[in-house]
Amino acid sequence: KAGVTQTPRYLIKTRGQQVTLSCSPISGHRSVSWYQQTPGQGLQFLFEYFSETQRNKGNFPGRFSGRQFSNSRSEMNVSTLELGDSALYLCASKGLAVEQYFGPGTRLTVT
Amino acid sequence: DQQVKQNSPSLSVQEGRISILNCDYTNSMFDYFLWYKKYPAEGPTFLISISSIKDKNEDGRFTVFLNKSAKHLSLHIVPSQPGDSAVYFCAASALGSGAGSYQLTFGKGTKLSVIP
Repeated sequence: KAGVTQTPRYLIKTRGQQVTLSCSPISGHRSVSWYQQTPGQGLQFLFEYFSETQRNKGNFPGRFSGRQFSNSRSEMNVSTLELGDSALYLCASKGLAVEQYFGPGTRLTVT
Repeated sequence: DQQVKQNSPSLSVQEGRISILNCDYTNSMFDYFLWYKKYPAEGPTFLISISSIKDKNEDGRFTVFLNKSAKHLSLHIVPSQPGDSAVYFCAASALGSGAGSYQLTFGKGTKLSVIP
């Protein structure tokens, strides 16, 4: 079974711009979650999508948004980028078991 | 308020010896606990989990122990190998706000170095 894939792997953006990251879950997994990893805060939960609906959301500002398509692929969008948004963004997919399986991440640098 | 804490940022162990990674939590509603391993420039890899109704789960060289009264869990790796050198994250699962949603809360990780 192919794992979770994320594109792009690396991205450099300027403050004020917006960015869209993409995630393809493991085949058959309907839940996709997004996390932000920074050196100071560790892994923080952004949101979870299931069957095209957001069913859980972390404590992040409205500039962070996402969506899920009918094939379970998901995108997250960050608008009006700030320097503090520089991080590794991880996508994880989940089937019926409790564990989530992570992709390699997208390294976003905001200058 | 950090609900999952890994108080040791780093740990060094000789090859062949036991590695013990610790994790403490505060939320009594957590019902599953998981350990992940992470290499640089890769996403976390799931290692092992334990339900809150159990006190031990074993998978090969990896064993997780849960002490609910102390709100403490630990991951034992025996014997430790150089390839085990990575950052280990403890995570806890609880029902999220949406129906059927399980949210993982992570500790900040412990960097394990296994010395040949």
